[in-house]
Amino acid sequence: DAGVIQSPRHEVTEMGQEVTLRCKPISGHDYLFWYRQTMMRGLELLIYFNNNVPIDDSGMPEDRFSAKMPNASFSTLKIQPSEPRDSAVYFCASSRTKGTGELFFGEGSRLTVL
Amino acid sequence: ILNVEQSPQSLHVQEGDSTNFTCSFPSSNFYALHWYRWETAKSPEALFVMTLNGDEKKKGRISATLNTKEGYSYLYIKGSQPEDSATYLCAFIYGGATNKLIFGTGTLLAVQP
Repeated sequence: DAGVIQSPRHEVTEMGQEVTLRCKPISGHDYLFWYRQTMMRGLELLIYFNNNVPIDDSGMPEDRFSAKMPNASFSTLKIQPSEPRDSAVYFCASSRTKGTGELFFGEGSRLTVL
Repeated sequence: ILNVEQSPQSLHVQEGDSTNFTCSFPSSNFYALHWYRWETAKSPEALFVMTLNGDEKKKGRISATLNTKEGYSYLYIKGSQPEDSATYLCAFIYGGATNKLIFGTGTLLAVQP
């Protein structure tokens, strides 16, 4: 199995630009999670999907952030417009079952907004 | 606000030492507790998923226990090796309308050869 695949691995952009992060979950996993890692807050859950439907987006910082999952094999996290405080590592993870299912993480997308 | 506390924040031990860390979580409405190992420049990998009070799980030299009534879990490493150096994260799920996995900030373990 290829694991969870994220792209890009690194992104450097200027303030105000649109950023799109991509994730391909493990085939057969019905849950997909977007996390953000910062020094101050550790791993924060931004949003998660079940069977392509957003279940809880209460962790999304503000309207500049949006996430979609158009099908079972693809999800995007978009930031528009980006700000320097959005700089972080964004992780995507997937799991097979609710609750007790372990999360499988992608390698993360490191975003730097100048 | 649900909070997951881990202690200590960091730990430096010598090779061969045994060590343990603590994860504290709200004891009400418990659903599951996960432990993850996170090596530098890699992504977190699951060690254990625990659901029942009194659960004990073991993987090689690493083991974990769970007390849902008092809201804590211990992770033990027997005979630490340099390759055990990593951040150990616990994550908590409470029963309810949400399926959020709430992570603690982790314990950073450094094992000196």
